[in-house]
Amino acid sequence: SQQGEEDPQALSIQEGENATMNCSYKTSINNLQWYRQNSGRGLVHLILIRSNEREKHSGRLRVTLDTSKKSSSLLITASRAADTASYFCATDGETSGSRLTFGEGTQLTVNP
Amino acid sequence: ETGVTQTPRHLVMGMTNKKSLKCEQHLGHNAMYWYKQSAKKPLELMFVYNFKEQTENNSVPSRFSPECPNSSHLFLHLHTLQPEDSALYLCASSQERNQPQHFGDGTRLSIL
Repeated sequence: SQQGEEDPQALSIQEGENATMNCSYKTSINNLQWYRQNSGRGLVHLILIRSNEREKHSGRLRVTLDTSKKSSSLLITASRAADTASYFCATDGETSGSRLTFGEGTQLTVNP
Repeated sequence: ETGVTQTPRHLVMGMTNKKSLKCEQHLGHNAMYWYKQSAKKPLELMFVYNFKEQTENNSVPSRFSPECPNSSHLFLHLHTLQPEDSALYLCASSQERNQPQHFGDGTRLSIL
């Protein structure tokens, strides 16, 4: 299985602090994607990083990818209470066809 | 508004009932997906449709029957479900397979 595994499972920080979430996977990938999910809602795509990319930015989000370690990190800078959500990584494997494989997610709580 | 609409949002049914979940996407996407999300478990891919053709069935029990009459609509027909089938069922779509997916807000299903 090349299931993504997020770390930590839960993270609680104060508003204004940075939040870092990690994802590890097991097999070669075409790309890795990060999603967020607010309570009671569907997942929202945040950012996609391809296997030949090492870092990508989008607003307050920064994603890194280390294919040698089969890991990725999502950094949210200057966090806000509205960032409270679950964050998932999903891998598009080279041999997985049309399947995205999701991890169990990190529950982020940003305290005002 | 993600462009993917799921109905109903909540559904309570007995084990002998027959019901259907509906998903509609207004994004012009070619691929549609059904996922099951249970507490403390990774998102589970159930079915994939690409250009209205089913391309993946992830060993889903036959009591779940998908239908894709056109590229904008996807149904999940439910029959004789079990209590362990209680979960959030999410529909998603993407322009092509392996591209970022857009999710609906899901149907919260409870089996009595």
